[in-house]
Amino acid sequence: DTGVSQDPRHKITKRGQNVTFRCDPISEHNRLYWYRQTLGQGPEFLTYFQNEAQLEKSRLLSDRFSAERPKGSFSTLEIQRTEQGDSAMYLCASGLAGTTGELFFGEGSRLTVL
Amino acid sequence: AQSVTQLGSHVSVSEGALVLLRCNYSSSVPPYLFWYVQYPNQGLQLLLKYTSAATLVKGINGFEAEFKKSETSFHLTKPSAHMSDAAEYFCAVSLERTGFQKLVFGTGTRLLVSP
Repeated sequence: DTGVSQDPRHKITKRGQNVTFRCDPISEHNRLYWYRQTLGQGPEFLTYFQNEAQLEKSRLLSDRFSAERPKGSFSTLEIQRTEQGDSAMYLCASGLAGTTGELFFGEGSRLTVL
Repeated sequence: AQSVTQLGSHVSVSEGALVLLRCNYSSSVPPYLFWYVQYPNQGLQLLLKYTSAATLVKGINGFEAEFKKSETSFHLTKPSAHMSDAAEYFCAVSLERTGFQKLVFGTGTRLLVSP
């Protein structure tokens, strides 16, 4: 399978704990995006990378959130001191810069904070 | 800022009936427009995209959409619904011309198909 893969698919944690999600994009894609989707809403942009550089972060991304893409391949999204409001589906997507904007999405990582 | 509005959070049709899901966009420059589908507990899959070529765009699974600049609309249609079409559908807009591929999504429309 050469699509976007995310791990873990589901994570249940207690409030205050740290969690980390991993995303492996399509190998030739130089752009990687993180979106958050809450129940009944469309995905909301969090941040994106071009190669290893993080080029933009949404105001939705509080200081408790950090994302990395150290070698321009896979990416991690860490949430520190989780809150119940962090419960959501975290979607990763990848694409090619300079193309017509199509993004390829992974199946998402669902976070439940108790 | 660009945005999309999807009219109707739920649409119910009978199998074999016409599917019409509405999307209106707001953009100060000619946009790129997309329809994505999401099945339960899965990620989003691209159905079709408009990138300023033909205004009538055909996608996968028999879906198509027409870009109407005068109405700022990009409605999704399918002549005959199938049970397997039941899913959540999202319209999205992108300003690729800015060099930035961020998608702005609508709130989604859940399509229910009854036998």
